[in-house]
Amino acid sequence: QVQLVQSGAEVRKPGSSVKVSCKASGGNYNTYTITWVRQAPGQGLEWMGRIVPSLDIVNYDPNFEGRVTITADKSTSTVYMDLSSLRSEDTAVYYCAGDLNWFEPWGQGTLVTVSS
Amino acid sequence: DIQLTQSPSSLSASIGDSVTISCRASQAISNSLAWYQQRPGRAPKLLLYVATKLQTGVPSRFSGSGSGTDFTLTISSLQPEDFATYYCQQYYNTLITFGQGTRLELK
Repeated sequence: QVQLVQSGAEVRKPGSSVKVSCKASGGNYNTYTITWVRQAPGQGLEWMGRIVPSLDIVNYDPNFEGRVTITADKSTSTVYMDLSSLRSEDTAVYYCAGDLNWFEPWGQGTLVTVSS
Repeated sequence: DIQLTQSPSSLSASIGDSVTISCRASQAISNSLAWYQQRPGRAPKLLLYVATKLQTGVPSRFSGSGSGTDFTLTISSLQPEDFATYYCQQYYNTLITFGQGTRLELK
């Protein structure tokens, strides 16, 4: 059973970037697709994109294309989500999740706060 | 984009009640729909996928139905731990979308 553990909370200034990690343990990581979903305070869930680490295939939501980069380090079973040109509206909890088209398991979430 | 509209946005119910949450897609999505439960401060939890299939470990009081554009999540005999927010999600195309959520509150 794969478990996903994410990196800790981050605070960034507008215009900067942030990189959140998601490390998989247990199970066969290389068979997984990993997806990223974010949730602004008091708001709903928003899909950002996904990666198939074994094939290095990525798909992004057009709303984030150009600002988000999802990568994988197969040697450490870790997936990264890099979001650039941050603005206050990017303040949210960012989740990674195993992706079989439906999402399970989920990481614990990483709070990213964008504030000057 | 395929838009998902959940109704109601919120509802109040009592322990032991049965409730139904609706999710309507802006175009036909076959049975490519999942449901999630999210408690405050926690990550979402998968309840059902392929519209009707119960995720391992999820109580049988949760059930799903529908195909095409109209789907429902039914929770029978509500338990205290069921008061949470519920989301539907479509995966019919590569651009994933979620419904806006339905908040289930204790009356």
